[in-house]
Amino acid sequence: GNSVTQMEGPVTLSEEAFLTINCTYTATGYPSLFWYVQYPGEGLQLLLKATKADDKGSNKGFEATYRKETTSFHLEKGSVQVSDSAVYFCALGTSNYGGSQGNLIFGKGTKLSVKP
Amino acid sequence: DSGVTQTPKHLITATGQRVTLRCSPRSGDLSVYWYQQSLDQGLQFLIQYYNGEERAKGNILERFSAQQFPDLHSELNLSSLELGDSALYFCASSVPPMGMGMNTEAFFGQGTRLTVV
Repeated sequence: GNSVTQMEGPVTLSEEAFLTINCTYTATGYPSLFWYVQYPGEGLQLLLKATKADDKGSNKGFEATYRKETTSFHLEKGSVQVSDSAVYFCALGTSNYGGSQGNLIFGKGTKLSVKP
Repeated sequence: DSGVTQTPKHLITATGQRVTLRCSPRSGDLSVYWYQQSLDQGLQFLIQYYNGEERAKGNILERFSAQQFPDLHSELNLSSLELGDSALYFCASSVPPMGMGMNTEAFFGQGTRLTVV
């Protein structure tokens, strides 16, 4: 079945360090891929998305490229800030056109802490 | 602000009780999804409704049920509550069902934190 695997946390970085959070997926068909972020005490917010192979999603300095050949969607940021401290979720969006399930399947989340 | 409203924000109840969680989707969104977030299970998809009809079911227990009303708001009913049901319950909404269309995404509410004692 469809699934998402992302690197376990927590990840602790110093301000201005480079961030990579690995995410790989298993899916049938042509899923869309998402990164969501959850700040403390809040709901999930969409950070970026990619809807087809080789698409690059980007937002707020974060980037991720949809790699079909490696079934990956790794999140990167060149220089993290203290305000980036949050939990990051990789997610796979399946289609329910034609009867298959249409919902988001999430990875377990990676907690990022950025120290000044 | 995502535009998705969930009430209540916090709920404390005893084992064996029944509670109802409410979700108002973003204006114009036809699909509503419910998710359960717990420390050990992560984010689990429970159920999806589209324009009043159940569309997909995930890991939803038989003690749980949901519905979407004509005004598109949704309620998640949890009954015979157990300690293990303590979790954060999220509602999300999207315009078409997830995946139909190239730019679909889900918008999440702030969640209802349920504590069963």
